[in-house]
Amino acid sequence: EPEVTQTPSHQVTQMGQEVILRCVPISNHLYFYWYRQILGQKVEFLVSFYNNEISEKSEIFDDQFSVERPDGSNFTLKIRSTKLEDSAMYFCATGTGSGEQYFGPGTRLTVT
Amino acid sequence: QKEVEQDPGPLSVPEGAIVSLNCTYSNSAFQYFMWYRQYSRKGPELLMYTYSSGNKEDGRFTAQVDKSSKYISLFIRDSQPSDSATYLCAMSAYHSGYSTLTFGKGTMLLVSP
Repeated sequence: EPEVTQTPSHQVTQMGQEVILRCVPISNHLYFYWYRQILGQKVEFLVSFYNNEISEKSEIFDDQFSVERPDGSNFTLKIRSTKLEDSAMYFCATGTGSGEQYFGPGTRLTVT
Repeated sequence: QKEVEQDPGPLSVPEGAIVSLNCTYSNSAFQYFMWYRQYSRKGPELLMYTYSSGNKEDGRFTAQVDKSSKYISLFIRDSQPSDSATYLCAMSAYHSGYSTLTFGKGTMLLVSP
């Protein structure tokens, strides 16, 4: 069964450093999303992406965040200058446009 | 008032029990409702996707939506220890790729053998 994959599974970085989280969507999916889950809290929407542009973004997704699909297969989330409060699980999700979203296993980001 | 409310649990039941998990919501714009299962430190796994009031059944799982009460439920029959996980409800206003999901905080379920 096709699934969303994410790398790395765990990323440790120092405050102020840039990180790039990678996702490989399910092959026929055209809609891509990033969500995050701070430990003990609910899953929160960050951004949606379709046709090579951002469809919608939340208040969390400020200028420190960016997304792109650099090579037609990967979908990436970049955080330019990480803060302690960026520590969370980051989930990529993808969908066909029917409304259903399928999540990857997540990347645990730890900012020290 | 939070948009989606869900009792965090934990809910502890013996193997074979019928489990009832619930969410309430405040935003009338929500039309589409999902249940996800999340094992510890893993990604949410889509279990059920429903629209409109009524029931939808898939194996041991039944999703129920009552839009008039803004209340959704997930029932698990013949619960198994492998069902032990956190169950997240999620909802959206649109049936399209542009829909963004709003999640509840999740209910932790523990099924003992």
